[in-house]
Formats: sequence, C-alpha cells, structure tokens
Amino acid sequence: DAKTTQPNSMESNEEEPVHLPCNHSTISGTDYIHWYRQLPSQGPEYVIHGLTSNVNNRMASLAIAEDRKSSTLILHRATLRDAAVYYCILRDRPPGGTSYGKLTFGQGTILTVHP
Amino acid sequence: ETGVTQTPRHLVMGMTNKKSLKCEQHLGHNAMYWYKQSAKKPLELMFVYNFKEQTENNSVPSRFSPECPNSSHLFLHLHTLQPEDSALYLCASSQAGGGLSSYNEQFFGPGTRLTVL
Repeated sequence: DAKTTQPNSMESNEEEPVHLPCNHSTISGTDYIHWYRQLPSQGPEYVIHGLTSNVNNRMASLAIAEDRKSSTLILHRATLRDAAVYYCILRDRPPGGTSYGKLTFGQGTILTVHP
Repeated sequence: ETGVTQTPRHLVMGMTNKKSLKCEQHLGHNAMYWYKQSAKKPLELMFVYNFKEQTENNSVPSRFSPECPNSSHLFLHLHTLQPEDSALYLCASSQAGGGLSSYNEQFFGPGTRLTVL
C-alpha cells in the first residue's frame, strides 16, 4: 500500500483557516486521496476525497499537487467542533475489481483549535 | 447519527468470558468492516465482509470470530481474550462496487470500548 506522511499535530485559532498537509510520494495512478477525521469519543467520519483535481464540499476543500505527491486539506474557518484527528488515506483497490475500498489508517494529525 | 449502530458501547470482561459485539447498519450497504483501535496506535483493519462473504482477515487471532448473517448485521464473537485486546472496536459499512469512480465512503459506528481484565 502506498503510504502517507502527516504532521503529528497542528494548532489553529477559531475562525481562522487551517491547512493540513499530507505527503504521498509513492501514490499510484488509480489511488484516490481520502480524508477522514475522528472527533473525540467517536468513530471516524468521511471528510472529502479526490483524484487529480481540487475538490470542495460543505466541510472542506482538498488541494492536490499537480504531481499528486502531496495534498492539503483546507478548513476555511476552523471551529471548536473541528478539533479532531485528521487522517489522509490512499484508497487501496484489491485485485479483481471488487471495489469495497479498503482504507489503511496512519497516525493522522491531531488538530487543536483554540477559542 | 451515521446510520451504523454498535452495541454494547462499553464492555468489561474477564479472560475466560465469552461475549459478542453487534453492529447494525441502516444504509443499505453491502460491505461491512471490523477495526481495532488501541491506545496510541492507528486503526487496524481486522475483517471485511463483502456481500456477506469474508474477504479480508488481517491475521487476526482465532479468539476473535466474526459473523455476518446478512448484509445489515455484523458480529464479533470474543472468547478467552487477553488484556492486550482491550481497545475500541469500530464497525463500518460501505457500498461496494461502482467502478473506478466510486469512492466507497465508509460510515463508522461509535465503537465498543472493550476492557479485558
């Protein structure tokens, strides 16, 4: 599986933008870049995903480098509820096309948001 | 509410006990997963069921026995566990299939916090 590298922790102030980086230099051509986050005492939740182009949704934006070796999750205005562990994951597709999309989680980035 | 429920939320058991964890998804998905999250370690995938068939077993000890009677329910049967098996056990589901463009978003339950004494 292709690996990702994220900073162990980051801090932000409330209502400021947050840029969470992720390096994935061994990404393959068909790997999607997924971001999940895990709020305290909860299971992970999907945030966003992308392949080559930048993506926006109601939760965040995903900026993908042209060579796809890195990406950045952008929270436009951090709130206290955004404090969580953020995981950058490359989706592994098993051979044979049974695409249930196995996810391999790393340590993630612990985001602390200050009031 | 993610559409994935897990019971019980907390479980304390002795090493000689037998217990079961239950997961139910109300999303119409056809793939279900068990993950283990130990303190200060990444989530580890344990088992995957795809259309009720087990398709992944990541070298999980036999004291963990999964069961998927239908696409909405997933169980993890536990017996003769060790204290190091204490962890948060998370269930997830997703919609398998859909081709290359499908992102197979996984929906997670809140987990069962297991303590083995």
